[in-house]
Amino acid sequence: AQKITQTQPGMFVQEKEAVTLDCTYDTSDQSYGLFWYKQPSSGEMIFLIYQGSYDEQNATEGRYSLNFQKARKSANLVISASQLGDSAMYFCAMREGKNQGGKLIFGQGTELSVKP
Amino acid sequence: GAVVSQHPSRVICKSGTSVKIECRSLDFQATTMFWYRQFPKKSLMLMATSNEGSKATYEQGVEKDKFLINHASLTLSTLTVTSAHPEDSSFYICSARPRESGTTQYFGPGTRLLVL
Repeated sequence: AQKITQTQPGMFVQEKEAVTLDCTYDTSDQSYGLFWYKQPSSGEMIFLIYQGSYDEQNATEGRYSLNFQKARKSANLVISASQLGDSAMYFCAMREGKNQGGKLIFGQGTELSVKP
Repeated sequence: GAVVSQHPSRVICKSGTSVKIECRSLDFQATTMFWYRQFPKKSLMLMATSNEGSKATYEQGVEKDKFLINHASLTLSTLTVTSAHPEDSSFYICSARPRESGTTQYFGPGTRLLVL
């Protein structure tokens, strides 16, 4: 069963507007972590933001914020004031409990295009 | 931030030859490194977890005799694609987890392999 689901293969957003990228997850662990990564066409994976399952507040990092809804098992990424340089693939990932060795499970990705 | 390098960044080889890809943590010691494979516009698929001084743990469906992993030191892991075939052409990315960190992984820039 898919553990991380990103239902938006592609998204368009106008420059300077905000955009939300969806991510839902499935786990029976009480302790887990959720990550968002950006992958531009060069291929490097750029860490954006992290949310721990026990964190009570939503994580924020500059223009990135994570809308964490634990009961719904969703961890959507919100990018405010989009810039042309935000055009890239975005991956949601989950790290399950400690006995999983820290490995990450990635979603299918969302390709974001920012229009001028 | 922590830096992970991969070498080579891209390689073209003939079918039947073996290719070695190196993953190095440049400014930290990594007890665990992960190897991923990614097809164009697709997600990262974990191939194996590499632990320093012990055998790698392969994910289901990954041939360990095909993809040899050696984690010889706390800063170096290698992935050797043996007897490469065109279907092995892909983007290979490693990540490294610092000895002191249970959460963070740092990704290398990736290696593009093309087997002719």
